[in-house]
Amino acid sequence: TQLLEQSPQFLSIQEGENLTVYCNSSSVFSSLQWYRQEPGEGPVLLVTVVTGGEVKKLKRLTFQFGDARKDSSLHITAAQPGDTGLYLCAGSQGGSEKLVFGKGTKLTVNP
Amino acid sequence: DTAVSQTPKYLVTQMGNDKSIKCEQNLGHDTMYWYKQDSKKFLKIMFSYNNKELIINETVPNRFSPKSPDKAHLNLHINSLELGDSAVYFCASSLRGSGRLNEQFFGPGTRLTVL
Repeated sequence: TQLLEQSPQFLSIQEGENLTVYCNSSSVFSSLQWYRQEPGEGPVLLVTVVTGGEVKKLKRLTFQFGDARKDSSLHITAAQPGDTGLYLCAGSQGGSEKLVFGKGTKLTVNP
Repeated sequence: DTAVSQTPKYLVTQMGNDKSIKCEQNLGHDTMYWYKQDSKKFLKIMFSYNNKELIINETVPNRFSPKSPDKAHLNLHINSLELGDSAVYFCASSLRGSGRLNEQFFGPGTRLTVL
């Protein structure tokens, strides 16, 4: 059973377009994180959201945590080739150190 | 300046061999992890140690044995390697007690290929 479902699995867009990536679950998470992974490297943390309804912005990236803390979205405005990578959402439940990862969205931004 | 480092970066070996991967972090974190990322990029936790104590042990074959000599190091030894062990293995660290954040910092990965 996959706790966190990410969609779409693959996304290929042109530079300048906007996009949204989704991370959904039937379970409640105490916090949810987004990571970006580039080929040959480890995931790098982008943001952590902890409060239901929370919105965080990181330059052109906007992250939202669902009101019920079961889902999250990542919106990128005016995508650039440098945004290309694998975007992973990961959640923690209770006080556990265990992070459960989604299967990722592979984003390609073409110049 | 490297925060979480792993060696080796690449490991190619024959089936049945025993191999080790080393991980070190200089972030002052007290919790370290091993993850396995398969060919479909799915990242799954294997083990976690806090101050040299095992706190997470997922369903992993007992051919895999983690060892933490101190809180800055977490090594992974694999006995009798099998073809299915081929994957990228990531080490990560975090600071326990950071409440609900559990923000993890990952190493660059070790790509293991079993022939």
